[in-house]
Amino acid sequence: NAGVTQTPKFQVLKTGQSMTLQCAQDMNHEYMSWYRQDPGMGLRLIHYSVGAGITDQGEVPNGYNVSRSTTEDFPLRLLSAAPSQTSVYFCASSRTSGKYNEQFFGPGTRLTVL
Amino acid sequence: DAKTTQPNSMESNEEEPVHLPCNHSTISGTDYIHWYRQLPSQGPEYVIHGLTSNVNNRMASLAIAEDRKSSTLILHRATLRDAAVYYCIKDAGGTSYGKLTFGQGTILTVHP
Repeated sequence: NAGVTQTPKFQVLKTGQSMTLQCAQDMNHEYMSWYRQDPGMGLRLIHYSVGAGITDQGEVPNGYNVSRSTTEDFPLRLLSAAPSQTSVYFCASSRTSGKYNEQFFGPGTRLTVL
Repeated sequence: DAKTTQPNSMESNEEEPVHLPCNHSTISGTDYIHWYRQLPSQGPEYVIHGLTSNVNNRMASLAIAEDRKSSTLILHRATLRDAAVYYCIKDAGGTSYGKLTFGQGTILTVHP
């Protein structure tokens, strides 16, 4: 199993540009989520999904959209990039709720917004 | 309040045990305690989690106080590969999706 994969590894955007961060998992996990990590800080939950077609907001959802059309994929869309969105983005998945099961994290996407 | 309190940093020598403390005084009866670690330039990695009883797995042990207001992650023999940021997390409670709130964690340095 490849586990949780994320693309791209690095990305530089200009203010106002849009882009999609890709996340895929091959473990048939129902739960997937997106976190961001700012320098020297812990991770903050952006959006999460408890199954295909079901998404909900986390702690810091503004400026981001998600959709879950398949079990495997959970893309994160930045609608109009801002310098405050400069961060490292991690995607995670778990078999069922992360409350009871370990979450598997991807390697991250490092995003810089100029 | 989903926050926990951990020391900013700790140091250990290789092959010695390490006890990483965590305070979670606002914990409720259904909140699990989770530990994750993050090696440099990598995503977080699950270590262990528990509710009331002490827990053991191949990576570590988790000792939870009887009143559940604190816990200790125990690495039995530290290796250089264990140098990482360790996060103690109390989930948001309830039976719904576990919304894990990561604090700043404890930076563990392991000396050869």
